[in-house]
Amino acid sequence: DIQLTQSPSFLSASVGDRVTITCRASQDIDLYLVWYQQKPGKAPKLLIYAASTLQSGVPSRFSGSGSGTEFTLTINRLQPEDFATYYCQQLNNYPVTFGGGTKVEI
Amino acid sequence: QVQLQQSGPGLVKPSETLSLTCTVSGDSISEYYWTWIRQPPGKGLEWIGYVYYTGSANYNPSLRSRVTLLVDTSKNQLSLTLKSVTAADTAVYYCAKELSAPDGNKWRDALEIWGQGTLVTVSS
Repeated sequence: DIQLTQSPSFLSASVGDRVTITCRASQDIDLYLVWYQQKPGKAPKLLIYAASTLQSGVPSRFSGSGSGTEFTLTINRLQPEDFATYYCQQLNNYPVTFGGGTKVEI
Repeated sequence: QVQLQQSGPGLVKPSETLSLTCTVSGDSISEYYWTWIRQPPGKGLEWIGYVYYTGSANYNPSLRSRVTLLVDTSKNQLSLTLKSVTAADTAVYYCAKELSAPDGNKWRDALEIWGQGTLVTVSS
C-alpha cells in the first residue's frame, strides 16, 4: 500500500495567516493526489484534485502544488471557517489511501 | 445536484453483520461509481471500496473477505454489508459519489458528494 505522511499533524494559526500542509507519498503517485477538509461531525469536503485543481466553489485562497512524492496544500489569509482537519488522498494505486490528517487550530 | 441519504442501525453485536444503505437522489445511480469510506472515532479515513451499477467492485484487501458492496438500480440505492464485525469496525461509515469534473472527466476515487455518515458501534 502507498503510505501518505502529512506534516504537521497539528498546526496552530491565526486568522489572516498563511498555512502550509505537506503530504509525502511512499512512492511516486504522479498528480493523483486529492485534498479534503473535514469539520467536526461532518463529512469531508473535496477541495483540490489532480494535486492542484481547485474544486468548483472552493475559495481561491486554497491552492495545491506538487507531483511525484511531495505535495503541498496552502491556505492564504486563513479565515475562521478554515479551522478544520485536512486530509490528503492518493488515487494512483489500490487500495486508495489517506494521510493521517492535519488539524488546523486557532 | 446528487444527494446521498444513509440509513441503517447504529449498534451491531460482535460477530454479527453490519448492513447500511445509501439512497441516491438527483441523478441516476447508473451514471457514477460509488465509494464507501469509514472513519473510527477520533481517527483518520479508511477506504472500504467502490462499486458500479454493473456489479463491478473493488475492495480494500484488509476488508475483502468480509465486505460486499452492491447497487440496486430499481431503488437507486447502494448497500454495504460487513460480516463478522468486531469492536475494531466501530466507525462512522460514509457513502460517496465520484467527482464529475467541469472538463467532463470523471475521477472515480475523488469524492465530491458524501452522505451524512452513520456511526456504527459494535458492542454487545
